[in-house]
Amino acid sequence: KAGVTQTPRYLIKTRGQQVTLSCSPISGHRSVSWYQQTPGQGLQFLFEYFSETQRNKGNFPGRFSGRQFSNSRSEMNVSTLELGDSALYLCASSIGTENTGELFFGEGSRLTVL
Amino acid sequence: AQSVTQLDSHVSVSEGTPVLLRCNYSSSYSPSLFWYVQHPNKGLQLLLKYTSAATLVKGINGFEAEFKKSETSFHLTKPSAHMSDAAEYFCVVRPPSGTYKYIFGTGTRLKVLA
Repeated sequence: KAGVTQTPRYLIKTRGQQVTLSCSPISGHRSVSWYQQTPGQGLQFLFEYFSETQRNKGNFPGRFSGRQFSNSRSEMNVSTLELGDSALYLCASSIGTENTGELFFGEGSRLTVL
Repeated sequence: AQSVTQLDSHVSVSEGTPVLLRCNYSSSYSPSLFWYVQHPNKGLQLLLKYTSAATLVKGINGFEAEFKKSETSFHLTKPSAHMSDAAEYFCVVRPPSGTYKYIFGTGTRLKVLA
C-alpha cells in the first residue's frame, strides 16, 4: 500500500509569490491534515479536510488555504509569501471516521522563502 | 481543555543505556495516545498507540509506553538506546470528543552518545 505522497519535496520562492503544495493520501483515507513545522514554533496545525470539507482549522492567517478533491487528494496554497513562511509543511492522512485512528505522515515539502 | 506536555525538550543518553521520554496529558475522558518519531528532514512515523486496551503498549524498534491514568502519563521507554534512535519524539493526544483533533506535544529531541 503506497504511503502519503507530498510534492514537491523542495522548493524555493521569493517574498510576495504564492505556492501550492500537493498531498496524496493513503488509498481509502478520507481525512487530510496539514501542519507547518519550524525550528522556532515547532509543529503547528493548519487545517484538516474530510470528504472535501474543511473540518478543523488552526490559527493561521487567510493567506493559508487548502482544498480537497473528490479523490481525497489535497492541496494547500500560501499567497503573498513572507520570509517567516519558510518551513517544512507536512501532510497527514487518516481514515477520518475512527476516534482512535492514527495519522500517517508524508515526507514533507520543504519551502524556502528568499 | 485537552493538552499534552512533554516534560523534557532535550534528552541525552549513552548508547546501550535506557531511554525515558516523559509525557503528561490532560483530558476529561480516556483519550487515545500516540508516540511519533521524526528523523531529520523526514515525516513523522508512528512508534506506538494506546486506545484503551492494554495499558502497556509495545511499539516498533523496541520502544514501549505505559498508560497510567492515575498519573495522567504516557512515558516512552526503551531498555537500550541505539545510535539510530537519535531523533525528535512527539507525544500526541486525541480526545474522544468526536472533533477528530490531534494535540501534539512540543517534542523531545533525543541525543545518543557513543
